[in-house]
Amino acid sequence: EIVLTQSPVTLSLSPGERATLSCRASQSVDSYLAWYQHKPGQAPRLLIYDASNRASGIPARFSGSGSGTDFTLTISSLEPEDFAVYYCQQRRDWPPLTFGGGTKVEI
Amino acid sequence: VQLVESGGGLVQPGGSLRLSCSASGFTFNTYSMNWVRQAPGKGLEWVSFISRVPGTKYYADSVKGRFTISRDNAKDSLYLEMNNLRDDDTAVYYCARGSTWFDYWGQGTLVTVSS
Repeated sequence: EIVLTQSPVTLSLSPGERATLSCRASQSVDSYLAWYQHKPGQAPRLLIYDASNRASGIPARFSGSGSGTDFTLTISSLEPEDFAVYYCQQRRDWPPLTFGGGTKVEI
Repeated sequence: VQLVESGGGLVQPGGSLRLSCSASGFTFNTYSMNWVRQAPGKGLEWVSFISRVPGTKYYADSVKGRFTISRDNAKDSLYLEMNNLRDDDTAVYYCARGSTWFDYWGQGTLVTVSS
């Protein structure tokens, strides 16, 4: 099973600042990595798939990069609605599909 | 696109529950579907997958042999039959569209396993 480790666990930032979130895989996942945003009481939202492709309707301030074992989600300038928990997920080797433990972006 | 889960509730350890997910706004039988759960204070955990034509099903090891995924394409519905429930099955259960990336999710239904 591929284990995904996200860091930091919590990121404290202010609106307008840049957020950099990391996801590291226990073995190569090539570019088969996605990022999701999850707010309490809401459905999770797909942001990025295949490491760097923005999903439909996702603002350009969200970008993904990386390949192999190291990946980054960058939010270029935080908007108030971006404060949430972010998860990475791999599909290189499944089942099982696996998620990282999450990074909470807080004000 | 809308996914609406139902069927959650309070059940005793060892009990059973059947979750449903009603889909609308897209051609249900052209998409694979999944169940994903989130235990209180924890992250997301993939539970099960079913292909468009339900010939392929996968399960997480934690639920294998106890949970059964199914779908009824005529009713645009996805199901999760959960048997022999344990305390650690307590979670919000989401249905999610997609084979390996989940582009739409429901709001979730809460399952609480407790005596």
